[in-house]
Amino acid sequence: QKEVEQDPGPLSVPEGAIVSLNCTYSNSAFQYFMWYRQYSRKGPELLMYTYSSGNKEDGRFTAQVDKSSKYISLFIRDSQPSDSATYLCAMSEDSNYQLIWGAGTKLIIKP
Amino acid sequence: GAGVSQSPRYKVAKRGQDVALRCDPISGHVSLFWYQQALGQGPEFLTYFQNEAQLDKSGLPSDRFFAERPEGSVSTLKIQRTQQEDSAVYLCASSLAGTSAQTQYFGPGTRLLVL
Repeated sequence: QKEVEQDPGPLSVPEGAIVSLNCTYSNSAFQYFMWYRQYSRKGPELLMYTYSSGNKEDGRFTAQVDKSSKYISLFIRDSQPSDSATYLCAMSEDSNYQLIWGAGTKLIIKP
Repeated sequence: GAGVSQSPRYKVAKRGQDVALRCDPISGHVSLFWYQQALGQGPEFLTYFQNEAQLDKSGLPSDRFFAERPEGSVSTLKIQRTQQEDSAVYLCASSLAGTSAQTQYFGPGTRLLVL
């Protein structure tokens, strides 16, 4: 079993819908949680960064961490076709570069 | 300003060939990272440089993989005697300073296909 599990999708939703993307993990020592967006033929781009438990909001994006359930989520409100991409979660025990990545969920927003 | 650039963007190699992949980090960025991303997977860490010093190469999968950054700017990842399992996207990332993952900027990657 992988340390970080993420449904590969694809997840297809109509424009304007609320999108929920999720990852589960097994290592209770993880404290730093990140969400990246990766467009086709591009490198990952950091979207959200959260330390420990709780919520963080940035525009249309909200990241949630539930350490008791070892479950993290990314919500996208008012989804747009330009949000179509692969979304990867990543996490680590401390804030350094040794991240453990999920496999990514492919998201398709239909106009 | 310019981001991280990588070349070539695509490389097809015959099994057994040597390949060299180049990364041009953002100007002034001290830290440089290489990752390997297999199809349908997240990136996996390969190696980390601070200026010209290779401080961590724990992720390099075998001694066929070698990375250098001789002048503390451009970096080259070399793979000798390529194997089919080396087929992946090789991502480079740079950071102004330090090792925090959240400060890294990724390049577009080099897609390597070994036949």
